[in-house]
Amino acid sequence: QQPVQSPQAVILREGEDAVINCSSSKALYSVHWYRQKHGEAPVFLMILLKGGEQKGHDKISASFNEKKQQSSLYLTASQLSYSGTYFCGTDLTGTASKLTFGTGTRLQVTL
Amino acid sequence: DVKVTQSSRYLVKRTGEKVFLECVQDMDHENMFWYRQDPGLGLRLIYFSYDVKMKEKGDIPEGYSVSREKKERFSLILESASTNQTSMYLCASSFRGVEQFFGPGTRLTVL
Repeated sequence: QQPVQSPQAVILREGEDAVINCSSSKALYSVHWYRQKHGEAPVFLMILLKGGEQKGHDKISASFNEKKQQSSLYLTASQLSYSGTYFCGTDLTGTASKLTFGTGTRLQVTL
Repeated sequence: DVKVTQSSRYLVKRTGEKVFLECVQDMDHENMFWYRQDPGLGLRLIYFSYDVKMKEKGDIPEGYSVSREKKERFSLILESASTNQTSMYLCASSFRGVEQFFGPGTRLTVL
């Protein structure tokens, strides 16, 4: 089953913050975040492993709560370049190979 | 840089035709994947392969088959194309389940 992402879409002004959530009904081994800009291929952002760690990538960070089977992506001081669709991919098997992706969150950053 | 290439960016086929989508990666990755991307449904895994001649069904394998005769090449086959297979098809590869590198996609239209 696909994880549920929320919100489905969000519009921000440059400099504002946003949080994207990813929630699964099944136990997760890891969560992978990708961003896809319009007309381009998805690009890997980061992987969150079991242990509740938090990772960062520039001003984008994420957390993973394995007890709640949830991950959140935090975009701080958003830039125009952050616009795109964000997908979480959940690892249900422990292999980190086969991922089940969410339906995506479309983020638009405006001036 | 890892490069994943797909044989066509755009393809138009007729109902009932046999369709081949080709994907080639140049980084000696073990894992290769085929996804389809539809609006509102995110990325859905069709098949993946973890080694030459090895394959595993994803979440939506019905109507598709795959072939991996060489490590660098992974083909998706639509035995008898139908209109509900009109979609964007994305190929990806990864080394042991970490970051997946995606190709540019093939937009297939079945008339």
